[in-house]
Amino acid sequence: GEDVEQSLFLSVREGDSSVINCTYTDSSSTYLYWYKQEPGAGLQLLTYIFSNMDMKQDQRLTVLLNKKDKHLSLRIADTQTGDSAIYFCAEQGSSGSARQLTFGSGTQLTVLP
Amino acid sequence: AAGVIQSPRHLIKEKRETATLKCYPIPRHDTVYWYQQGPGQDPQFLISFYEKMQSDKGSIPDRFSAQQFSDYHSELNMSSLELGDSALYFCATGLAGGIEQFFGPGTRLTVL
Repeated sequence: GEDVEQSLFLSVREGDSSVINCTYTDSSSTYLYWYKQEPGAGLQLLTYIFSNMDMKQDQRLTVLLNKKDKHLSLRIADTQTGDSAIYFCAEQGSSGSARQLTFGSGTQLTVLP
Repeated sequence: AAGVIQSPRHLIKEKRETATLKCYPIPRHDTVYWYQQGPGQDPQFLISFYEKMQSDKGSIPDRFSAQQFSDYHSELNMSSLELGDSALYFCATGLAGGIEQFFGPGTRLTVL
């Protein structure tokens, strides 16, 4: 999406940590999300963070939010081959009743054995 | 746990034909969102419904229409199909004011 940017590709070795970065533009977004999409499959919600939080940890996933810089990151600890997928960050609309998500372009994560 | 159901999963149509995609929300979810994901693209918001009323509109072509029914399922109607309409169409459902949107598996539409 034109308002949410991500790097397109990331390769890591199995067991290493992965960090996927995202920048967004709507400073009034209330929630920011990370979705995972495997080939030919739907979008799986991994985690989300409220905009007044700096960090959220959920098992192997850590989300960091720098609201000043409008920067969001997803860290996956001990990356496994099953983590290979496209990861999308998304921001939720903030105007009126709008709750639709605006997605980034997605980051293709490849985990090498 | 019940998930979002979309049907059909795959659909092949020819140019200028019509197509209807269906979405069945998770029980008790009252809000439906439709997204279109072109090849190698990120999902783009098309339209959303809350309590059977359209709540927001995104980049949905005039050739497309949608509605939400009394049982909260939704249908996306697509007419005068074009080659560029070939894409994955997702619906996502949630609770009004809720934080999470749960996506269905998608319908892959191919226009020949």
